[in-house]
Amino acid sequence: QKEVEQNSGPLSVPEGAIASLNCTYSDRGSQSFFWYRQYSGKSPELIMSIYSNGDKEDGRFTAQLNKASQYVSLLIRDSQPSDSATYLCAVNVLNNFNKFYFGSGTKLNVKP
Amino acid sequence: NAGVTQTPKFQVLKTGQSMTLQCAQDMNHNSMYWYRQDPGMGLRLIYYSASEGTTDKGEVPNGYNVSRLNKREFSLRLESAAPSQTSVYFCASSDEDPYGYTFGSGTRLTVV
Repeated sequence: QKEVEQNSGPLSVPEGAIASLNCTYSDRGSQSFFWYRQYSGKSPELIMSIYSNGDKEDGRFTAQLNKASQYVSLLIRDSQPSDSATYLCAVNVLNNFNKFYFGSGTKLNVKP
Repeated sequence: NAGVTQTPKFQVLKTGQSMTLQCAQDMNHNSMYWYRQDPGMGLRLIYYSASEGTTDKGEVPNGYNVSRLNKREFSLRLESAAPSQTSVYFCASSDEDPYGYTFGSGTRLTVV
């Protein structure tokens, strides 16, 4: 079993819709969770972090964390074609806060 | 621009050749990392350096060596390149935990 699992997609949503991206992880003791956006041929870019159960909002992005169920999700409201990218979930390695496992990413396509 | 600089951006090697990938950051970060990214595999940690003078193995260290030359620079060396090392290599740095990474632009390496 992979430490971090994501549906590879592609996830297709129409412009203006809500895109929901999900990630599950195996280390119950993980404390830090990040979402990165990666455009094709580019490097990953940090967009959200979350450390506590519940929701964290930043503009059109909302990260949700449920440690009991070991999943973290990213919601993108009012999706735009410019949001089309691969979204990577990163979860810290148990007992090593700044060392992370990455999921393989979910490709999001936002159709105009 | 401040950030993480990787060189070279592209490289083609013949099997058995050696090369060093260079990485430098100007954000005064303590921690630096080398990842490889392969289709469907996500980002996998090769080596990391939590601080100047220390290095540790990640998930896939075989066939690689690293040097933390000073606080700014962290190099990755392939002593005898193999086709299985064809990948995109990313260097990253981070501040004190638990902060996310800043990635370099990547090196696209092909071993023939």
